[in-house]
Parts: sequence; C-alpha cells; structure tokens
Amino acid sequence: AQSVTQLGSHVSVSEGALVLLRCNYSSSVPPYLFWYVQYPNQGLQLLLKYTTGATLVKGINGFEAEFKKSETSFHLTKPSAHMSDAAEYFCAVSETGGFKTIFGAGTRLFVKA
Amino acid sequence: GAGVSQSPSNKVTEKGKDVELRCDPISGHTALYWYRQSLGQGLEFLIYFQGNSAPDKSGLPSDRFSAERTGGSVSTLTIQRTQQEDSAVYLCASSLVEGKEAFFGQGTRLTVV
Repeated sequence: AQSVTQLGSHVSVSEGALVLLRCNYSSSVPPYLFWYVQYPNQGLQLLLKYTTGATLVKGINGFEAEFKKSETSFHLTKPSAHMSDAAEYFCAVSETGGFKTIFGAGTRLFVKA
Repeated sequence: GAGVSQSPSNKVTEKGKDVELRCDPISGHTALYWYRQSLGQGLEFLIYFQGNSAPDKSGLPSDRFSAERTGGSVSTLTIQRTQQEDSAVYLCASSLVEGKEAFFGQGTRLTVV
C-alpha cells in the first residue's frame, strides 16, 4: 500500500531564500506523484505532477519537484521565496493501475520579510 | 458542472444533531474522495468511491460517520450525533482516471456547538 511522509509540519524561510519542502513516499508499483497547494481560505489546487518521463517537473509559480526513485522522494523546491508563497503544501501519491490518491499531512510554509 | 461543488459551505449545528454534507463531483469523474481538515491540521482521509466498486471506508473515524454515492455521481457524507470534535472543514474531491489530478471543492465548514 502506498503512503506519504512530509517532513516538517511547518517550514519558515526568508523572502528570496530557497524553499525546500520534503516528501517521501512508499509504493509497491511505479507511482504517480503530486504536489497541491492550499492558500489561506481557499481550496486545494494542483501545483505540479509526475506521471512518467522526465523526472524533473515544473509547476506553477516557479515551483519544481524531482522524482528520485532510489530515494523514494519527491521534494518540492523554489529558488527564491515570495511572500505570496505562504500557504500549505500537500504531497500526494497514487499507484499506476489504481486510482486512490493518498495525501501527506501537509507542510505549512511561512515566508518572512 | 465546471468544478466540484459542495453544500452547504458553512454549517453550524448543535451537539447531538445529525448533519448531511453534499458533494457534486465533476461530471464523468469516477473517483470521489472525502477528507477532513481540522484547524491547523493536514488532510485526513475519510472515504473513497471508485466507480461501482465497494467504497474504501478505512478512514471513517467512527460508526457515526457514513457516506453514500448515488448513481455514481452525487455523494452525501452523514455524521450522526455530532460531537464538538467533529468541527472541521470537510473536503470533497473527484478525479477522472488513473494518474490524473484530483479536483477539490471549496469544502463545508462544520461547527458543532
């Protein structure tokens, strides 16, 4: 069965600094991987996803994530944080051949001026 | 419809009362999920429907919680004899096929007083 672990329920960075949100997964088959973002008082929306092909995927607002099979990781990065990036971020995994998506507990990103 | 629709958007109920929360998924989406998001917490999986298969109820926290999906479309989450700890935002999501993103509704904010 698949599972997702997000390291750090809260991450704080300064504006302009690197953003790194960690996600590790377990899956018995090749996974599909997703990052979702939830801005304050809004619903969840897809930030980026990996299905097949290139392991480095780019999403909206300058975010990207790299699928590393050997490390079972799918960490989310952004070179330079902006105040508007303050939100909660959720990593998710689903298995090829299946439909159910499992979400991590979420990481709340704080951006300091 | 254009997106996942949930109703009501807000619900205040007295402790001990039953409540019903409704989710209209995107037309044609076969997978439907219910999640709970408590204040400051991540996403808690509740139940998953996929087509005509038996639902995955492994996330329901107690037998006071139940859900059904009629005609493979609209879903209703019922909470019986509500307790204060049931206060949370209840999110519904749907997805089309394997590997595709889940689309979330805006949620129902339930407050038990």
